[in-house]
Amino acid sequence: NAGVTQTPKFRVLKTGQSMTLLCAQDMNHEYMYWYRQDPGMGLRLIHYSVGEGTTAKGEVPDGYNVSRLKKQNFLLGLESAAPSQTSVYFCASTSGTDTQYFGPGTRLTVL
Amino acid sequence: AQSVTQLGSHVSVSEGALVLLRCNYSSSVPPYLFWYVQYPNQGLQLLLKYTTGATLVKGINGFEAEFKKSETSFHLTKPSAHMSDAAEYFCASYKAAGNKLTFGGGTRVLVKP
Repeated sequence: NAGVTQTPKFRVLKTGQSMTLLCAQDMNHEYMYWYRQDPGMGLRLIHYSVGEGTTAKGEVPDGYNVSRLKKQNFLLGLESAAPSQTSVYFCASTSGTDTQYFGPGTRLTVL
Repeated sequence: AQSVTQLGSHVSVSEGALVLLRCNYSSSVPPYLFWYVQYPNQGLQLLLKYTTGATLVKGINGFEAEFKKSETSFHLTKPSAHMSDAAEYFCASYKAAGNKLTFGGGTRVLVKP
């Protein structure tokens, strides 16, 4: 099992550009999450999904959109990137128990 | 609303010394609590968790944590630090609605030879 994978690993964008981050899991988990990690702030939840076709807002959803068309994939989109979105993004999944499994992260820089 | 506070954003310990990382939570009911570790340029991996039952929880790599309801704390300890323990550590609490985790700000551990 690959677990949770994220693509790309690194990306540099200019202000106003758009991009999509892909998260994939091969554990048949129902729940998937997108977090951003910023120094001193821990991980903050952006959006999450409790099953295929569902999405919900987390703590810091503004400027992001998500889709969960397939159970194994959870996409995070930035329609018009801003420097404040420079961060490390983590995806996680769980079967519905308490333990979440994390991907390796995507480091995004917005110039 | 649940919140998790980690005291100290950076901790420096000597190799072989005690590692103590502090975590306090606020919740109307005792939550499930977790410690995750993040090695440089990697994702988070679970160190240990408290759900119910025994309040002293043992995890991987020699770490353990004790849940103290009276102090609303879940401090992480390791008797003897190793160079490989240099990492960032996150305390988190679990909320059943949406299976969501709330993270503390993280503590970066530096181990000196």
